Amino acid sequence: NAGVMQNPRHLVRRRGQEARLRCSPMKGHSHVYWYRQLPEEGLKFMVYLQKENIIDESGMPKERFSAEFPKEGPSILRIQQVVRGDSAAYFCASSPRSGGNSPLHFGNGTRLTVT
Amino acid sequence: TQLLEQSPQFLSIQEGENLTVYCNSSSVFSSLQWYRQEPGEGPVLLVTVVTGGEVKKLKRLTFQFGDARKDSSLHITAAQPGDTGLYLCAGKGGNQFYFGTGTSLTVIP
Repeated sequence: NAGVMQNPRHLVRRRGQEARLRCSPMKGHSHVYWYRQLPEEGLKFMVYLQKENIIDESGMPKERFSAEFPKEGPSILRIQQVVRGDSAAYFCASSPRSGGNSPLHFGNGTRLTVT
Repeated sequence: TQLLEQSPQFLSIQEGENLTVYCNSSSVFSSLQWYRQEPGEGPVLLVTVVTGGEVKKLKRLTFQFGDARKDSSLHITAAQPGDTGLYLCAGKGGNQFYFGTGTSLTVIP
């Protein structure tokens, strides 16, 4: 069984460019969460999506950031006009349902570096 | 915002020693999860605790959920270098999982 797949693993962008991060959840999982992590820190929630719907985007900046989880294909986290402060590891997690006991299965992240 | 504070933030011990890390909150959670994260990888679930006062054992790891479901602890017996990693607690609140600040553990051979 393939786990959560994220690509690319590493992404370098110059200030002002766009970054597109992809996440393919585990098979059968329809719930996707995106988190951001700085070195030696915990995970900061960004957005929670189900297929074709954004359920909670309260952790995502209102400008420059967007997320989608289409009916077909991976979930995409898009950052427009990147700035140095966007440099971080971005993790995607999926779960089969939304209950509190349902564990999150994480990908290995995309490390974004903005130069 | 439901904050989960973990302590200590950093811990470096010798192989064979015992240790306990803590996860505290002012909020009540219906369940709490512990994850371990190794460098360059995503977090991996260790355990989910659901009932106040619950104790779960996973080999040398013992997890406890506080009676009021606001706090949890992780005790490791006879730590090994393979236990090195970032330990994260997480509680479900609303639509999201809130993660703690993490404890970075280094076990020296």
